[in-house]
Parts: sequence; structure tokens; C-alpha cells
Amino acid sequence: EVQLLESGGGLVQPGGSLRLSCAASGFTFINHAMSWVRQAPGKGLEWVSTISTSGSTTYYADSVKGRFTISRDNSNNTLYLQMNSLRAEDTAVYYCARWDFGFDPWGQGTLVTVSS
Amino acid sequence: EIVLTQSPATLSLSPGERATLSCRASQSVSSYLAWYQQKPGQAPRLLIYDASNRATGIPARFSGSGSGTDFTLTISSLEPEDFAVYYCQQRIIWPPLTFGGGTKVEIK
Repeated sequence: EVQLLESGGGLVQPGGSLRLSCAASGFTFINHAMSWVRQAPGKGLEWVSTISTSGSTTYYADSVKGRFTISRDNSNNTLYLQMNSLRAEDTAVYYCARWDFGFDPWGQGTLVTVSS
Repeated sequence: EIVLTQSPATLSLSPGERATLSCRASQSVSSYLAWYQQKPGQAPRLLIYDASNRATGIPARFSGSGSGTDFTLTISSLEPEDFAVYYCQQRIIWPPLTFGGGTKVEIK
């Protein structure tokens, strides 16, 4: 069964940092690009970042560029999102998702709350 | 950036009825459009990719159509588990990958 399991969310103060992880299983991780998508409370979906299969190419939404870094460890089937200089508007559930013709599947999400 | 506009914002229907959801793009996305379903407290699920291809395990009552700037997701006969929020998403020009604002299908 294809599975994605996020971890690392929590409460952080504005200006702080957090690293999210996404453990993948049930498929050949190295063969697929991977992404992070977030959803603020009561709002719609917002794409955050995508990384190529090798990790050599990364893409970011303007809202997080320069503050967030996506990376992957293909030997351990894990995707990461390093989030620095966090702002209140970064508060959201963060989902990891496999990216091919669409985002499929998705993890269950991890909640990041930025508040003092 | 390609903007996707979904309509209506809310669709009130009864089980067994046909649902027709619209997604309009600010410029042509060819057929590079996907649809997702999200139920409360759950992650989204891919329903349709490339405008009309059902994802693995998606029931045949879900169908997608359209190309260019106008797309439709049709649910032929609503089941109780189909009441949810639906999002469209384009992948022709990115970054950024963009989503529509969503359509909520609620029980009438």
C-alpha cells in the first residue's frame, strides 16, 4: 500500500523554525517527484514546493521562497521541508504528496501553528 | 500565474441527483487539469487527471470533461459519501501550481 506519513508539526513562535518530514512507503520513492501543499484553517489548498526525483531541481511558491527549503533522502525514502522565518500566515496543515500527473496520494497532514 | 475560478461556491443537492461543477482558467491549460475531493478532516484525494482520466480506484460516476479554459466535473448520481469539497488544479504552466477556490457539494 502506498503511504505517506508526515511529522514535525507543532507550535512555533513567529520568526522561528521547524522541519517537517514525510516518510514514504509502498512505492519506489526515487522514481517520483514530491511536493508539499498546505491548507490554512478553513481555507483552500495552496501549493508550497516540489522537488525532482534526484533532488537537483526545486520549485517554490513566491510566498515561501527564500524561507523554506525542500529536500529529500532517497536512501531513506523521506521528504523534508525546512521552514525558517515563520510567520503567522504560514499557519496551516502541511501535506506531502507524490507528484506525477496530479498530487496522488497525499499524507494525512501535519499542523503547523505560528503564534506567540 | 494561472488563476482557476470554480463555480458555484456551494451546490446543494440530494442523494441520487446529478452534480455539475465548473472550473474556468484565466488562460488555456490545454488538458492539464486535475480534480480533487476533500472530506472534512481528511486529506484531498485525486479524482481526475488530465481533464478526463479517472485516477486509480475512482468510481465511474465521476467524470471530467473540457479543454482550454473551461472544465466540468460531473457526478452522475450523488452517493452519501460524495458530499465534500472539490478542487481543480492546473499543471501546464508552473511554478506556481495553482488550485481553484473549491466547490462545496452539500446535502439539500
